[in-house]
Amino acid sequence: QQQVKQSPQSLIVQKGGISIINCAYENTAFDYFPWYQQFPGKGPALLIAIRPDVSEKKEGRFTISFNKSAKQFSLHIMDSQPGDSATYFCAAPTGGGNKLTFGTGTQLKVEL
Amino acid sequence: NAGVTQTPKFQVLKTGQSMTLQCAQDMNHEYMSWYRQDPGMGLRLIHYSVGAGITDQGEVPNGYNVSRSTTEDFPLRLLSAAPSQTSVYFCASSKQGRDQPQHFGDGTRLSIL
Repeated sequence: QQQVKQSPQSLIVQKGGISIINCAYENTAFDYFPWYQQFPGKGPALLIAIRPDVSEKKEGRFTISFNKSAKQFSLHIMDSQPGDSATYFCAAPTGGGNKLTFGTGTQLKVEL
Repeated sequence: NAGVTQTPKFQVLKTGQSMTLQCAQDMNHEYMSWYRQDPGMGLRLIHYSVGAGITDQGEVPNGYNVSRSTTEDFPLRLLSAAPSQTSVYFCASSKQGRDQPQHFGDGTRLSIL
């Protein structure tokens, strides 16, 4: 069973600051690491994903950094905005097919 | 295009009652799954299906049944509700393939008294 450890559990950032969320995984056999974003009352939605053949992927203000040797990957939100306030989940493939193991989530609040 | 639709949005049950949570998708996705979300525990996989007629257990299957008679529908049945099953339940669907994004419904908030 793939374990994914996510930290911190909650995070408060000032508007314009950088939000950083970290995840660590155990099994090195897998090749796809997504981040999901969830707003209150809604289901999670894919935000950004990375394959471990690259060390970084950037989409707008969101960047995933991947450290294969340390078995860690992190989400960086640059110029954080109040609209980024949400819960963020990292995930990693578990077994075959489409199964994912999710981290425990990080509740981000961006203050004005 | 409705995506993934879950009903009901809220439900209160008494211990021992049974009920079915409905999930339907209109994207012709082969893969469907059920998760429960509890504070501090993230999303945990209950059951999943790779196509009509095929289901399998996830991480926390006890107390739940599923069936997949059509591509579109994947209902989750609570056989005899227990307070420990109080949670928010999410259904998701995706195309086959590990790098395919999973599309989630907006959840069913279930309370067991």
